[in-house]
Amino acid sequence: EVQLLESGGGLVQPGGSLRLSCAASGFTFSNYAMSWVRQAPGKGLEWVSSISGSGGSTYYADSVKGRFTISRDNSKNTLYLQMSSLTAEDTAVYYCAKDALGTIPDQFDYWGQGTLVTVSS
Amino acid sequence: QSALTQPASVSGSPGQSITISCTGTSSDVGAHNSVSWYQQHPGKAPKFMIYDVSNRPSGVSNRFSGSKSGNTASLTISGLQAEDEADYYCSSYTNSRTVIFGGGTRLTVL
Repeated sequence: EVQLLESGGGLVQPGGSLRLSCAASGFTFSNYAMSWVRQAPGKGLEWVSSISGSGGSTYYADSVKGRFTISRDNSKNTLYLQMSSLTAEDTAVYYCAKDALGTIPDQFDYWGQGTLVTVSS
Repeated sequence: QSALTQPASVSGSPGQSITISCTGTSSDVGAHNSVSWYQQHPGKAPKFMIYDVSNRPSGVSNRFSGSKSGNTASLTISGLQAEDEADYYCSSYTNSRTVIFGGGTRLTVL
């Protein structure tokens, strides 16, 4: 059974940093691209970032480029999102998502339960 | 890049069929078959319902179907049931090697 378990969310001050983690199990982690998708309170889904299975290719939404860094440790089956220079607009539930077909991170068949990031003073 | 355009809400009675549209551009929906649909119940994570425009993952009811014409994709739900009441989101791969979601559609089963 595929499981994705996010952690690391919480309350952070504007301008601060936070690192999210997503522990994966139930599939061959290194074979699949992985992504982060966020959802602000009461709003829709917003794709944030993706990374290839090997970790060699990364992709970012314009809204987070230069501030967020996606990475993965295939030996630990874990996906990360390092977030810095956070603003109130980054407040959201952050979901970790597995790519459905493997290579190109474009469609997401399994999602974690989400972790809430609140940026506020 | 702006979100794909979906109607804010749709409704239907049990047993009826409804269709949700998802309009993009020639750089996303019109350019790729990596169009998918997600169902989200309140407080829950999204659920994968349709991929590659019209394919259903294992376990998804055949009451759900997808299609695409030009820059517009569509999700049709036939034989509406109470448990179908949820938010629905489309998404598409883009020429910029990013993913874009629709704004979401709230489905109400009357």
